[in-house]
Order: sequence, then structure tokens, then C-alpha cells
Amino acid sequence: QVQLVQSGAEVKKPGASVKVSCKASGYTFTSYDINWVRQATGQGLEWMGWMNPNSGNTGYAQKFQGRVTMTRNTSISTAYMELSSLRSEDTAVYYCARGMGPVPDYWGQGTLVTVSS
Amino acid sequence: QSALTQPASVSGSPGQSITISCTGTSSDVGGYNYVSWYQQHPGKAPKLMIYEVSNRPSGVSNRFSGSKSGNTASLTISGLQAEDEADYYCSSYTSSSTRVVFGGGTKLTVL
Repeated sequence: QVQLVQSGAEVKKPGASVKVSCKASGYTFTSYDINWVRQATGQGLEWMGWMNPNSGNTGYAQKFQGRVTMTRNTSISTAYMELSSLRSEDTAVYYCARGMGPVPDYWGQGTLVTVSS
Repeated sequence: QSALTQPASVSGSPGQSITISCTGTSSDVGGYNYVSWYQQHPGKAPKLMIYEVSNRPSGVSNRFSGSKSGNTASLTISGLQAEDEADYYCSSYTSSSTRVVFGGGTKLTVL
């Protein structure tokens, strides 16, 4: 069965960077895009960007341009999302989600990133 | 402010039907048949319930159905059950630089 397993919770100071991993199994990793979506506590879903694991091509939401980098390691079927220059407003649960075209279908369990001094 | 507009809350009694709307523009909902709906229970990841406007993934109950008219998509849940109580989000492909946009979410309460 399709599974996306994300790395554990992180606590970071303002100005630092965080890198979240997303290990895929149960399907061919390079055949589907990976999307990243975040959700602040009590808030809605916010799409951050996508990556094609086969080509490495990426597309980022304008809000995160310059601060986010999405990469992958195809040998271990793992995608990564790195967010830099963290601020308190970046405190949220970060999800990876497989992309069936432009449709996120299977989601990881989420990774809580807390930004606090 | 979310790109797609949903009602903040809806409610219904067990056995009834409810409909959640999702309004966008011709650049997203109205322009493409890539509208999806997600169910999210507290503390859990979203679950895909409807994709490409009206298609159900394998394993999703046929009590869930989707439709679209112009710039507004709708999710209908028939025969409401207690387990349907959750937050529901719509999403759409968009021609803007942001590939995917979400609605603000609708909290469904089963009375």
C-alpha cells in the first residue's frame, strides 16, 4: 500500500532552517510528483510547492520563493523540504503528499515544526 | 484569506444530506476539472474523498459525491453518519504560479 512516512517533530529558533524528509513506499517513487502543504494550528491547508522526483523539477508558491527548497534522493525514495529564515509564523504541521497530476492523493502523517526563541 | 471560498461550518442530523460549496474563479475551479475534496479529522492528515470534480477513490463511500457548476464546486454527503463529522477542504488546480489552491475549510457537525 502507498505510504509516506515523514521525519519527526522539530523545534527551531527564529532565523534557522529546517529540513523535513518524506520516505515513500508502495509505489514507484519517480512516477508521481511530491507536494508539500502546511497547516498552522487551527488553520486551513496551505500549498507550498511541488517536485517531480524523476527530473528534480520544482515549482514553489510565490509566498515561499527564495525560502523553500525541495529535493529528493531517488535511491532511497525520499523527498525533502527545507525552509530557511524561519519565523514564528512558520510554526505549523508540514505534510508531504503524493501528486496524482495536480491532485495530492496520499498524504504523510505530518511533521510539526515549532519556531520559538 | 484563502483562494477558494467555503462556508465556515455546516451541520446536519444523522441520515440527512448536506452540501458544502467551494467558490473560485475561472482561473481555478471554473477553468479546470481538477477540483478535489479532502476530509480531515482532528490530529489526522487529510484524506482524499473526491478528485477531478466527481470521482471517488477506491474505498470512499458512495455517500460522498461531487459536482461543479461554473466557478462553484460542491460536495454532497448523503445519509450523514457520526463519523462524517470532520473538517472538509476543497482544492483546485490553478493557472496562476501557485499550482494548487485550497479553500479555507468547512467544519461539519453531525447533530
